[in-house]
Amino acid sequence: NAGVMQNPRHLVRRRGQEARLRCSPMKGHSHVYWYRQLPEEGLKFMVYLQKENIIDESGMPKERFSAEFPKEGPSILRIQQVVRGDSAAYFCASSPGGQGNTIYFGEGSWLTVV
Amino acid sequence: QKEVEQDPGPLSVPEGAIVSLNCTYSNSAFQYFMWYRQYSRKGPELLMYTYSSGNKEDGRFTAQVDKSSKYISLFIRDSQPSDSATYLCAMRGTGGGATNKLIFGTGTLLAVQP
Repeated sequence: NAGVMQNPRHLVRRRGQEARLRCSPMKGHSHVYWYRQLPEEGLKFMVYLQKENIIDESGMPKERFSAEFPKEGPSILRIQQVVRGDSAAYFCASSPGGQGNTIYFGEGSWLTVV
Repeated sequence: QKEVEQDPGPLSVPEGAIVSLNCTYSNSAFQYFMWYRQYSRKGPELLMYTYSSGNKEDGRFTAQVDKSSKYISLFIRDSQPSDSATYLCAMRGTGGGATNKLIFGTGTLLAVQP
């Protein structure tokens, strides 16, 4: 029973490049969430998606960040023109959906911007 | 004021001790309360999940929720060195949609000394 799968686990990008982080939810889960964890800080909500829909993007920075969860394939978190401040751990989570459902996290993608 | 407050620690205890971890919150709409354990460079692992007030026990772990005081606790009995990790409290409201968003504390770093 595979859990939430994220790749790449580690990614190094130079300033100005693009970073793409992928997430495959647990089998049977149709809701995906992205969180960011900065050094010495807690997990911060970024975006909540269902298939082909963004439900809540209140935690997404206004510029350079975007997320999608297409009908087929994994969810993608895309960061354009990365800056050093984007260096963080990005966690994807999934749930079956609906109220009261628990949310399970992947192992994370560690982005380093040099 | 943060919505969720958690003492960052670090908390160091001898093996076999009872550990008490706590969070306070300000949003009375929170109804679902969770504790996650996170090892270094790993994703958060769900430990306990409770709805509304009361106690829940699972093995060596007990979660307590006091909604009147807006205070939640996690107790670990007979602590083991393998319990050494960061413990994150998380919570959310009800109503579906955007309220699936989890709000996390900053985490408490626990070290259990053999």
